[in-house]
Amino acid sequence: DVVMTQTPPSLSVAIGQSVSISCKSSQSLVYSDGKTYLHWLLQSPGQSPKLLIYQVSNLGSGVPDRFSGTGSQKDFTLKISRVEAEDLGVYYCVQATHFPLTFGSGTKLEIK
Amino acid sequence: QIQLVQSGPELKKPGESLKISCKASGYTFTDYAMQWVKQAPGKGLQYMGWINTQTGKPTYADDFKERFVFSLETSASTAYLQINNLKNEDTATYFCASGALDYWGQGVMVTVSS
Repeated sequence: DVVMTQTPPSLSVAIGQSVSISCKSSQSLVYSDGKTYLHWLLQSPGQSPKLLIYQVSNLGSGVPDRFSGTGSQKDFTLKISRVEAEDLGVYYCVQATHFPLTFGSGTKLEIK
Repeated sequence: QIQLVQSGPELKKPGESLKISCKASGYTFTDYAMQWVKQAPGKGLQYMGWINTQTGKPTYADDFKERFVFSLETSASTAYLQINNLKNEDTATYFCASGALDYWGQGVMVTVSS
């Protein structure tokens, strides 16, 4: 299985600051169709996960453009600019290029 | 709008079985696969597998090949997860998610305890 290494495990940030979360895969996530199926999810407290970014850099439905995703092959980053209180929760990267899908271990974002 | 509504919480004893439902609305059910994800208490997300909503063919991740069954009732736009011979380690919240994890159900909390 593809191992997804996500760092840091936790972050504490003030409102208005920017943060980045890293996700590295043990194999290239480029699929045979040329696309890279690396997504980012946010699980707010007590909620089910929500898709934030799909295929590395595409914003999910209704996701503000404060969120952005970059990366290629095996190295990916989620950036949140101007953090807001509603951004708190656990962020997961997930690869869907190889079966089975595998998730990163999560990054817990707390607001100072 | 697209919604996945799952059935309610379950409290079961070891060795029993259960069946969780996931009812989809707001889109054509057979347009997207249905995925299943497990989250043990206080832990991260674990992928269980998926079911092809056009053919009904399930595909299971290795850890979920033995006691787990995905099924469909296409006429009701509903997917099911059945867990047989429940074990304490099945205690978790189980999520359904459509397509490429675009939309998620609210999750079903399953507690297995004697």
